[in-house]
Amino acid sequence: DAGVIQSPRHEVTEMGQEVTLRCKPISGHDYLFWYRQTMMRGLELLIYFNNNVPIDDSGMPEDRFSAKMPNASFSTLKIQPSEPRDSAVYFCASSFGVDQPQHFGDGTRLSIL
Amino acid sequence: QKEVEQNSGPLSVPEGAIASLNCTYSDRGSQSFFWYRQYSGKSPELIMFIYSNGDKEDGRFTAQLNKASQYVSLLIRDSQPSDSATYLCAVNDGRGSYIPTFGRGTSLIVHP
Repeated sequence: DAGVIQSPRHEVTEMGQEVTLRCKPISGHDYLFWYRQTMMRGLELLIYFNNNVPIDDSGMPEDRFSAKMPNASFSTLKIQPSEPRDSAVYFCASSFGVDQPQHFGDGTRLSIL
Repeated sequence: QKEVEQNSGPLSVPEGAIASLNCTYSDRGSQSFFWYRQYSGKSPELIMFIYSNGDKEDGRFTAQLNKASQYVSLLIRDSQPSDSATYLCAVNDGRGSYIPTFGRGTSLIVHP
């Protein structure tokens, strides 16, 4: 299997712009997770989906963040408008079950200028 | 607020020694425990998982779980410079969503 695929790998954009991060989970995995990692806060769970349905978005920092999963093989995380404090590495992960080992994508390194 | 605590390190050990990484957690109902390794600039990758009290061995790695004392540890035998990385402990929410909470990680440096 190709593993979890994220795009883009790097994104540099100016404050106020819309940013869309993409993720393709491992086929057959029912759970998809979006994380943000920074030196200050470590790895934070933003939102997770079960069978394409958002289950818990309590980690989404504010209304500027939104996530969708239109089908079992694709998810997006959108930030609009972006701010410099959104700069971080964003990871997508998938798993067979909610308490099963997670497989992480390579991440998107986001820099907001 | 469920807590997963790890010493940030760095933990420095000589090549060939045993590295011992520890993690404590606050949720007594937790049932699933994971260790991930993260190299600098890379994504976390699963090393081991453990569900039952006691030891679980996989090659040079041993996970030890003590639910009564609420800690889980990872031992790395015959440490190699390639083991130098940050090790993340993840513990699931035992009574609600069952999703794992990650610790901040322990940085391990294995010097030749």
